[in-house]
Amino acid sequence: SQQGEEDPQALSIQEGENATMNCSYKTSINNLQWYRQNSGRGLVHLILIRSNEREKHSGRLRVTLDTSKKSSSLLITASRAADTASYFCATLNGYKLSFGAGTTVTVRA
Amino acid sequence: GAVVSQHPSWVICKSGTSVKIECRSLDFQATTMFWYRQFPKQSLMLMATSNEGSKATYEQGVEKDKFLINHASLTLSTLTVTSAHPEDSSFYICSTYDWREAFFEQYFGPGTRLTVT
Repeated sequence: SQQGEEDPQALSIQEGENATMNCSYKTSINNLQWYRQNSGRGLVHLILIRSNEREKHSGRLRVTLDTSKKSSSLLITASRAADTASYFCATLNGYKLSFGAGTTVTVRA
Repeated sequence: GAVVSQHPSWVICKSGTSVKIECRSLDFQATTMFWYRQFPKQSLMLMATSNEGSKATYEQGVEKDKFLINHASLTLSTLTVTSAHPEDSSFYICSTYDWREAFFEQYFGPGTRLTVT
């Protein structure tokens, strides 16, 4: 079952701009993960943030986690055309992942 | 990270026929694999958890007699869509996790696009 909502559903930005998307979840978590899906393809793991972490960086990605609000955000800085994809947050329940609805990001050249 | 393959990448079948989709872990032994279904512009919905050597565990609302899962070896799980209907047309994705890693990051196959005519 889906864990929560993602906001916005779609985002269109110019190359070089930053893209921010938010995810809310419903239950307590041990960690929250972000995945990217290129059109018609499988998912690729981007970054994992543990429940005791507030912020994490990986290259041009920055993830924040606010467990009191049950929310997370993903920031992609200096976006490139290759960042065009759908982005999903996911929470772990036991060993099963529950995905958010996803944000579709389009980066215009 | 782990590498997961799926075959076929796309398949078209006629209504009433059965289709088998294979999911393979290429570089480690996967005791557990997951099968997801994704409709256009929607998120992934977990269908079932496949465990090597035992019966699959299906999510609520997923018909186990329609979606047959077999996990006969540590590197291969198969999903058979039996008596397929047009409403079964979807993108099917498998995944697994590397039990040697601590946080259950999942590795996904590239997906199989099923179209039932």
